[in-house]
Amino acid sequence: EIVLTQSPDFQSVTPKEKVTITCRASQSIGSSLHWYQQKPGQSPKLLIKYGSQSISGVPPRFRGSGSGTDFTLTINSLEAEDAATYYCHQSSDVPITFGQGTRLEIK
Amino acid sequence: EVQLMESGGGLVQPGGSLRLSCAASGFTFSNYWMHWVRQAPGKGLVWVSRFNTEDSSTNYADSVKGRFTISRDNAKNTLYLQMNSLRAEDTAVYYCATTGMSAYYFDYWGQGTLVTVSP
Repeated sequence: EIVLTQSPDFQSVTPKEKVTITCRASQSIGSSLHWYQQKPGQSPKLLIKYGSQSISGVPPRFRGSGSGTDFTLTINSLEAEDAATYYCHQSSDVPITFGQGTRLEIK
Repeated sequence: EVQLMESGGGLVQPGGSLRLSCAASGFTFSNYWMHWVRQAPGKGLVWVSRFNTEDSSTNYADSVKGRFTISRDNAKNTLYLQMNSLRAEDTAVYYCATTGMSAYYFDYWGQGTLVTVSP
């Protein structure tokens, strides 16, 4: 099973700050890594596909990068509405796995 | 507009059974890979099962293998999850989700249905 480890688990940030969330895979997964945002009481929402590809309708402040085993989600100029938990997900192999999540709190 | 609507959740005793349904609309259901993903209260996302639309094969997480069965009725545009021998650790919100006509990223999710396994 491919294990995805996110860091940090929790971060408290102020608006307009830049945030970086990392996701490390236990083995190489190429670009088969995707990012989601989940707000309390809601279903997850796709933010980034294949490591760095943008999704229509997602604000451009959300950027993804990386390949192989190390991936990064960057949120530039954080806004209050970005308070949520963020998950990475690998589709390289079954079982499909998710990272444990990174909760962002806006001060 | 793509819509996924889960139903069938509820309270069940340990050892009991439950069948979840996911009604799909707004896309050609028969062409899309479908999945179940669950989330225990206050915890992260855990993939449960998928149905490969290309060859009708199925895959399961080890934690549910032999107890859960995924199936679909393309005529009714509905995905199912038959859950048997339920345990307390199966308590979660169950989401159906699709990865489109491939097996890659989850582009659409339902709103989820809560399953509670308790005496």
